[in-house]
Amino acid sequence: SQKIEQNSEALNIQEGKTATLTCNYTNYSPAYLQWYRQDPGRGPVFLLLIRENEKEKRKERLKVTFDTTLKQSLFHITASQPADSATYLCAFPNTGGFKTIFGAGTRLFVKA
Amino acid sequence: GAVVSQHPSRVICKSGTSVKIECRSLDFQATTMFWYRQFPKKSLMLMATSNEGSKATYEQGVEKDKFLINHASLTLSTLTVTSAHPEDSSFYICSASPAPNTDTQYFGPGTRLTVL
Repeated sequence: SQKIEQNSEALNIQEGKTATLTCNYTNYSPAYLQWYRQDPGRGPVFLLLIRENEKEKRKERLKVTFDTTLKQSLFHITASQPADSATYLCAFPNTGGFKTIFGAGTRLFVKA
Repeated sequence: GAVVSQHPSRVICKSGTSVKIECRSLDFQATTMFWYRQFPKKSLMLMATSNEGSKATYEQGVEKDKFLINHASLTLSTLTVTSAHPEDSSFYICSASPAPNTDTQYFGPGTRLTVL
């Protein structure tokens, strides 16, 4: 079955450093991947979408890569700030694109 | 733009009662709405997909008689948890999409349900 794996351990980094989160997937080749931010007690907020023919996508301090050979996406936050502290979810559409499969998310803590 | 609201944000009820949660797309018409359930530190689990004017499609293992979904208009979907029990306590999140596929879906802020 289609599976997404994100590092369940929290990531702690110092303010100003680059945070890198990993999303691995198996048994599937999605047409695109999405990254969401979720704050405690809130719904996810869409951040970026990267398609299978795109190697990299940027938005302000965010950068996403998509390696279809490794079946992996990396999510980078440069010059991280305490306000970036949240859970980041990786997701992709199932076959047919009518449902979204989410990873469990990685909790990021940015210390001042 | 693309704002989705949920009401209520929190609800506490007694076991055996029914609870209705509303999901509204405020500034766009939602062809499709999705209902998710999320346990602490766990992934979002899709419960059902609803299209305006038709019956919802439930995921395997989700009881349709327990979780009633109505998508009466292009801006409103409701989830009713019938005869709620403590094990139904969870965080329920809806999302809305202007198109049938999930390329673009906008999430509501979620509803925390606690059943005593």
